[in-house]
Amino acid sequence: EAQVTQNPRYLITVTGKKLTVTCSQNMNHEYMSWYRQDPGLGLRQIYYSMNVEVTDKGDVPEGYKVSRKEKRNFPLILESPSPNQTSLYFCASSKGTSGQETQYFGPGTRLLVL
Amino acid sequence: AQSVTQPDIHITVSEGASLELRCNYSYGATPYLFWYVQSPGQGLQLLLKYFSGDTLVQGIKGFEAEFKRSQSSFNLRKPSVHWSDAAEYFCAVGGSSASKIIFGSGTRLSIRP
Repeated sequence: EAQVTQNPRYLITVTGKKLTVTCSQNMNHEYMSWYRQDPGLGLRQIYYSMNVEVTDKGDVPEGYKVSRKEKRNFPLILESPSPNQTSLYFCASSKGTSGQETQYFGPGTRLLVL
Repeated sequence: AQSVTQPDIHITVSEGASLELRCNYSYGATPYLFWYVQSPGQGLQLLLKYFSGDTLVQGIKGFEAEFKRSQSSFNLRKPSVHWSDAAEYFCAVGGSSASKIIFGSGTRLSIRP
Protein backbone atom coordinates (compact mmCIF):
# COMPACT_ATOMS: atom_id res chain seq x y z
CA GLU A 1 0.00 0.00 0.00
CA ALA A 2 1.31 3.43 -0.96
CA GLN A 3 1.76 5.43 2.19
CA VAL A 4 3.72 7.82 4.36
CA THR A 5 4.51 6.45 7.79
CA GLN A 6 5.60 8.33 10.88
CA ASN A 7 6.91 7.08 14.18
CA PRO A 8 6.15 7.47 16.94
CA ARG A 9 2.51 8.55 16.73
CA TYR A 10 2.52 9.95 20.24
CA LEU A 11 5.44 11.17 22.31
CA ILE A 12 5.81 12.79 25.71
CA THR A 13 9.25 14.07 26.57
CA VAL A 14 11.00 16.61 28.78
CA THR A 15 12.73 19.84 27.90
CA GLY A 16 16.20 19.32 26.48
CA LYS A 17 16.00 15.61 25.74
CA LYS A 18 16.91 15.03 22.10
CA LEU A 19 14.35 13.20 20.02
CA THR A 20 13.84 12.05 16.44
CA VAL A 21 10.57 11.56 14.60
CA THR A 22 10.97 9.27 11.63
CA CYS A 23 9.18 9.63 8.31
CA SER A 24 9.26 7.14 5.48
CA GLN A 25 7.46 6.94 2.13
CA ASN A 26 7.26 3.95 -0.20
CA MET A 27 6.19 5.81 -3.34
CA ASN A 28 9.65 6.82 -4.61
CA HIS A 29 8.65 10.44 -4.16
CA GLU A 30 11.17 13.15 -4.86
CA TYR A 31 9.82 15.83 -2.52
CA MET A 32 9.32 15.54 1.23
CA SER A 33 8.44 18.07 3.90
CA TRP A 34 7.59 18.52 7.56
CA TYR A 35 4.76 20.63 8.94
CA ARG A 36 3.54 21.48 12.37
CA GLN A 37 -0.13 22.06 13.05
CA ASP A 38 -1.26 24.35 15.84
CA PRO A 39 -4.82 25.46 16.65
CA GLY A 40 -5.85 28.49 14.64
CA LEU A 41 -2.60 28.53 12.67
CA GLY A 42 -3.16 25.75 10.16
CA LEU A 43 -0.09 23.95 8.86
CA ARG A 44 3.26 25.67 8.86
CA GLN A 45 6.21 24.26 7.00
CA ILE A 46 9.31 23.45 9.04
CA TYR A 47 11.74 22.01 6.49
CA TYR A 48 11.52 20.52 3.05
CA SER A 49 13.65 18.43 0.73
CA MET A 50 13.66 18.55 -3.05
CA ASN A 51 15.77 15.41 -3.35
CA VAL A 52 18.38 13.30 -1.61
CA GLU A 53 20.92 15.46 0.22
CA VAL A 54 18.95 18.63 -0.65
CA THR A 55 17.13 20.23 2.27
CA ASP A 56 15.98 23.77 2.99
CA LYS A 57 14.24 25.79 5.66
CA GLY A 58 10.53 26.40 5.63
CA ASP A 59 8.67 29.07 7.57
CA VAL A 60 9.37 27.84 11.12
CA PRO A 61 12.73 25.99 11.14
CA GLU A 62 14.10 27.21 14.50
CA GLY A 63 14.84 24.36 16.88
CA TYR A 64 14.60 21.63 14.24
CA LYS A 65 17.00 19.72 12.02
CA VAL A 66 16.41 17.30 9.17
CA SER A 67 18.41 15.03 6.93
CA ARG A 68 17.73 13.25 3.65
CA LYS A 69 20.35 10.57 3.20
CA GLU A 70 17.98 8.23 1.37
CA LYS A 71 15.08 9.04 -0.90
CA ARG A 72 12.48 7.31 1.25
CA ASN A 73 13.40 8.71 4.68
CA PHE A 74 13.20 12.22 6.06
CA PRO A 75 13.64 12.27 9.86
CA LEU A 76 12.87 15.34 11.96
CA ILE A 77 15.30 15.98 14.81
CA LEU A 78 14.70 18.12 17.86
CA GLU A 79 18.12 18.53 19.46
CA SER A 80 16.86 20.29 22.59
CA PRO A 81 13.06 20.31 22.67
CA SER A 82 11.23 23.12 24.42
CA PRO A 83 7.58 23.40 25.49
CA ASN A 84 6.79 25.69 22.54
CA GLN A 85 7.50 22.73 20.28
CA THR A 86 4.49 20.91 21.68
CA SER A 87 2.43 20.37 18.55
CA LEU A 88 1.05 17.94 15.98
CA TYR A 89 3.62 17.14 13.33
CA PHE A 90 2.98 15.90 9.80
CA CYS A 91 5.35 14.55 7.23
CA ALA A 92 4.30 14.81 3.59
CA SER A 93 5.67 13.76 0.24
CA SER A 94 4.94 14.38 -3.42
CA LYS A 95 6.03 12.75 -6.64
CA GLY A 96 7.62 15.86 -8.08
CA THR A 97 8.61 19.30 -6.92
CA SER A 98 6.18 21.49 -8.85
CA GLY A 99 3.43 23.50 -7.20
CA GLN A 100 0.80 21.33 -8.91
CA GLU A 101 1.76 18.19 -7.06
CA THR A 102 -0.59 16.49 -4.65
CA GLN A 103 0.98 16.08 -1.26
CA TYR A 104 0.52 12.79 0.60
CA PHE A 105 0.49 13.09 4.35
CA GLY A 106 1.48 10.76 7.14
CA PRO A 107 -0.90 10.15 10.06
CA GLY A 108 0.77 12.69 12.32
CA THR A 109 2.89 12.64 15.47
CA ARG A 110 1.52 14.33 18.56
CA LEU A 111 4.37 15.67 20.69
CA LEU A 112 4.14 16.99 24.23
CA VAL A 113 7.24 18.64 25.71
CA LEU A 114 7.10 19.12 29.47
CA ALA B 1 2.65 37.88 -0.69
CA GLN B 2 0.80 34.61 -0.92
CA SER B 3 -1.93 34.03 1.67
CA VAL B 4 -5.04 31.96 2.28
CA THR B 5 -7.97 32.91 4.48
CA GLN B 6 -10.66 30.59 5.73
CA PRO B 7 -13.04 32.94 7.54
CA ASP B 8 -15.07 30.26 9.30
CA ILE B 9 -13.33 28.49 12.17
CA HIS B 10 -16.21 26.12 12.92
CA ILE B 11 -19.41 25.31 11.04
CA THR B 12 -22.26 23.02 12.08
CA VAL B 13 -24.76 21.75 9.54
CA SER B 14 -27.54 19.20 9.73
CA GLU B 15 -27.10 15.85 8.04
CA GLY B 16 -28.57 16.05 4.55
CA ALA B 17 -28.18 19.82 4.33
CA SER B 18 -25.99 21.57 1.80
CA LEU B 19 -22.55 22.85 2.68
CA GLU B 20 -20.31 25.68 1.55
CA LEU B 21 -16.90 26.33 3.05
CA ARG B 22 -15.26 29.59 2.17
CA CYS B 23 -11.70 30.17 1.02
CA ASN B 24 -10.12 33.42 -0.15
CA TYR B 25 -6.60 33.67 -1.43
CA SER B 26 -4.04 36.26 -2.36
CA TYR B 27 -1.57 35.44 -5.09
CA GLY B 28 0.12 37.43 -7.82
CA ALA B 29 -0.33 35.00 -10.69
CA THR B 30 -2.79 32.24 -11.51
CA PRO B 31 -2.69 30.09 -8.42
CA TYR B 32 -2.79 26.37 -7.93
CA LEU B 33 -5.63 25.76 -5.46
CA PHE B 34 -6.31 22.76 -3.30
CA TRP B 35 -8.78 21.51 -0.73
CA TYR B 36 -7.62 18.89 1.77
CA VAL B 37 -9.64 17.08 4.44
CA GLN B 38 -8.33 15.89 7.79
CA SER B 39 -10.47 13.28 9.52
CA PRO B 40 -9.98 12.84 13.28
CA GLY B 41 -6.63 11.21 14.02
CA GLN B 42 -5.63 11.14 10.37
CA GLY B 43 -3.32 12.99 8.05
CA LEU B 44 -4.59 15.30 5.33
CA GLN B 45 -6.11 13.85 2.17
CA LEU B 46 -6.62 15.69 -1.10
CA LEU B 47 -10.27 16.36 -1.99
CA LEU B 48 -9.72 18.29 -5.20
CA LYS B 49 -7.44 20.75 -6.95
CA TYR B 50 -7.61 23.47 -9.59
CA PHE B 51 -4.90 24.56 -11.98
CA SER B 52 -6.63 25.91 -15.06
CA GLY B 53 -9.57 25.35 -17.38
CA ASP B 54 -13.09 24.71 -16.15
CA THR B 55 -13.58 26.76 -13.01
CA LEU B 56 -15.89 24.18 -11.42
CA VAL B 57 -13.89 21.17 -10.30
CA GLN B 58 -15.19 17.89 -9.00
CA GLY B 59 -13.48 15.98 -6.25
CA ILE B 60 -13.83 12.85 -4.22
CA LYS B 61 -16.65 12.11 -1.78
CA GLY B 62 -19.13 14.25 -3.74
CA PHE B 63 -17.36 17.56 -3.15
CA GLU B 64 -16.90 20.30 -5.70
CA ALA B 65 -15.27 23.73 -5.68
CA GLU B 66 -15.58 26.77 -7.86
CA PHE B 67 -12.71 29.10 -8.73
CA LYS B 68 -13.81 32.72 -8.99
CA ARG B 69 -10.92 34.90 -10.07
CA SER B 70 -12.85 38.17 -9.64
CA GLN B 71 -13.53 37.33 -5.98
CA SER B 72 -10.20 35.56 -5.31
CA SER B 73 -12.23 32.69 -3.92
CA PHE B 74 -12.23 28.93 -4.13
CA ASN B 75 -15.24 27.80 -2.09
CA LEU B 76 -15.92 24.15 -1.39
CA ARG B 77 -19.47 22.79 -1.72
CA LYS B 78 -21.42 19.63 -1.18
CA PRO B 79 -25.15 19.34 -1.91
CA SER B 80 -25.95 16.95 0.94
CA VAL B 81 -23.60 16.22 3.84
CA HIS B 82 -23.25 12.91 5.61
CA TRP B 83 -22.20 12.33 9.22
CA SER B 84 -18.90 10.95 7.92
CA ASP B 85 -18.05 14.39 6.48
CA ALA B 86 -17.33 15.69 9.99
CA ALA B 87 -13.67 16.69 9.77
CA GLU B 88 -11.37 19.66 9.39
CA TYR B 89 -11.02 21.16 5.94
CA PHE B 90 -8.00 23.05 4.69
CA CYS B 91 -7.75 25.26 1.66
CA ALA B 92 -4.27 25.71 0.20
CA VAL B 93 -2.65 27.80 -2.50
CA GLY B 94 0.46 26.64 -4.31
CA GLY B 95 3.04 28.48 -6.33
CA SER B 96 5.71 27.44 -8.77
CA SER B 97 7.26 24.97 -6.32
CA ALA B 98 5.86 22.37 -3.96
CA SER B 99 7.77 24.16 -1.21
CA LYS B 100 5.68 27.31 -1.69
CA ILE B 101 2.30 25.85 -0.75
CA ILE B 102 0.43 27.82 1.92
CA PHE B 103 -2.36 26.31 3.98
CA GLY B 104 -5.29 28.15 5.49
CA SER B 105 -6.04 27.85 9.18
CA GLY B 106 -8.78 25.32 8.57
CA THR B 107 -12.54 25.04 9.07
CA ARG B 108 -13.90 22.44 11.43
CA LEU B 109 -17.14 20.89 10.23
CA SER B 110 -19.59 19.32 12.66
CA ILE B 111 -22.70 17.44 11.55
CA ARG B 112 -25.95 17.71 13.50
CA PRO B 113 -27.94 14.42 13.44
